[in-house]
Amino acid sequence: DAMVIQNPRYQVTQFGKPVTLSCSQTLNHNVMYWYQQKSSQAPKLLFHYYDKDFNNEADTPDNFQSRRPNTSFCFLDIRSPGLGDAAMYLCATSNPGTSGFTYEQYFGPGTRLTVT
Amino acid sequence: SQELEQSPQSLIVQEGKNLTINCTSSKTLYGLYWYKQKYGEGLIFLMMLQKGGEEKSHEKITAKLDEKKQQSSLHITASQPSHAGIYLCGATQGAQKLVFGQGTRLTINP
Repeated sequence: DAMVIQNPRYQVTQFGKPVTLSCSQTLNHNVMYWYQQKSSQAPKLLFHYYDKDFNNEADTPDNFQSRRPNTSFCFLDIRSPGLGDAAMYLCATSNPGTSGFTYEQYFGPGTRLTVT
Repeated sequence: SQELEQSPQSLIVQEGKNLTINCTSSKTLYGLYWYKQKYGEGLIFLMMLQKGGEEKSHEKITAKLDEKKQQSSLHITASQPSHAGIYLCGATQGAQKLVFGQGTRLTINP
């Protein structure tokens, strides 16, 4: 089945130690997103790629970076995790098609990050 | 920027009862999405509404977008334990982006 896969599902890192979260998709979608979701809060968009074009949200801290080496993979790098970065990180994809409008986004299961 | 407010924030209902969750937008909705999230997991797409007055159903879940396109409701008929989870509404904000409400936590008591 076509899907969005996130690895690992649970990640523990130390304060200040760089960490990378991985997302892959078999849907061949143009757009890939990274969201941060803290407990009992709405998912907050960090950035997204439309093909190779990177779009950063204005309030995303510089500590968060992303890479998309090809259509299938997208990575979230946290350069120096702080305690406040502990959260669920959700990857999503969509395929706006020729119209460019947002169609439904397909989410992975998420990676829960703990910072010790 | 657009803001979505969901009500109620949490809901506990007896199995078999009907329930409604509301999503109100600060701006006109050009695309309204309903998702369901189980604890500790990703979001599952339920339905998308675009036109004023539009209504869609899937199994026992019905979603409506009002004529003025600033409010949507999600109605569950004869609730079951499988309906338990967090329901989030999302709205199109610019191209390729969604903004989400804070979610409604639904608990179904047997």
